Amino acid sequence: AQKVTQAQTEISVVEKEDVTLDCVYETRDTTYYLFWYKQPPSGELVFLIRRNSFDEQNEISGRYSWNFQKSTSSFNFTITASQVVDSAVYFCAYYGLTGGGNKLTFGTGTQLKVEL
Amino acid sequence: SAVISQKPSRDICQRGTSLTIQCQVDSQVTMMFWYRQQPGQSLTLIATANQGSEATYESGFVIDKFPISRPNLTFSTLTVSNMSPEDSSIYLCSVEDRVGTEAFFGQGTRLTVV
Repeated sequence: AQKVTQAQTEISVVEKEDVTLDCVYETRDTTYYLFWYKQPPSGELVFLIRRNSFDEQNEISGRYSWNFQKSTSSFNFTITASQVVDSAVYFCAYYGLTGGGNKLTFGTGTQLKVEL
Repeated sequence: SAVISQKPSRDICQRGTSLTIQCQVDSQVTMMFWYRQQPGQSLTLIATANQGSEATYESGFVIDKFPISRPNLTFSTLTVSNMSPEDSSIYLCSVEDRVGTEAFFGQGTRLTVV
């Protein structure tokens, strides 16, 4: 069965620090997608990125960057120069096409607190 | 991207009663899903809402407790029946237009059962 592990339950940083949120997944699927979502205190889930299993290129979007390493089954998320508005719970999620049941499997989330 | 409107945004309910949550999408979508997020926890899929047929429930969730309707491609409801304090959670509706595309979420319904 597919599994998504976010080992970091909570991270606290000071504003302007860089922070990396880890995500490791387990699968036997050959085709799958990985996602990151942000959940601010208001509760809604905000889509950040989707990456398919055949595309290992790293991606950068402003202060956000993602590192997908298929060899280590990891899809880590880095926020550069963190800001207070980045404080939220971040979820990594997996979607398998070959055996994943066509549904999102979420990690347990990482609570990020950015302080002044 | 799809815009999802979920109602109510929050409610406080008495145990033993039922609450129906609505999810309206601004465009036709193939897949609609209902998730539960218990306090401090991750999201757990309750069921896939199928248009014109019975919902497909995940292990641990049953139709009697969480009846779901999906009369068309833009609307679905989830009812939480005979509520107990353990049902206090955020309930989220999500949609995806094609398999593997990003799943868009409603703003959630924060339910407290007293």
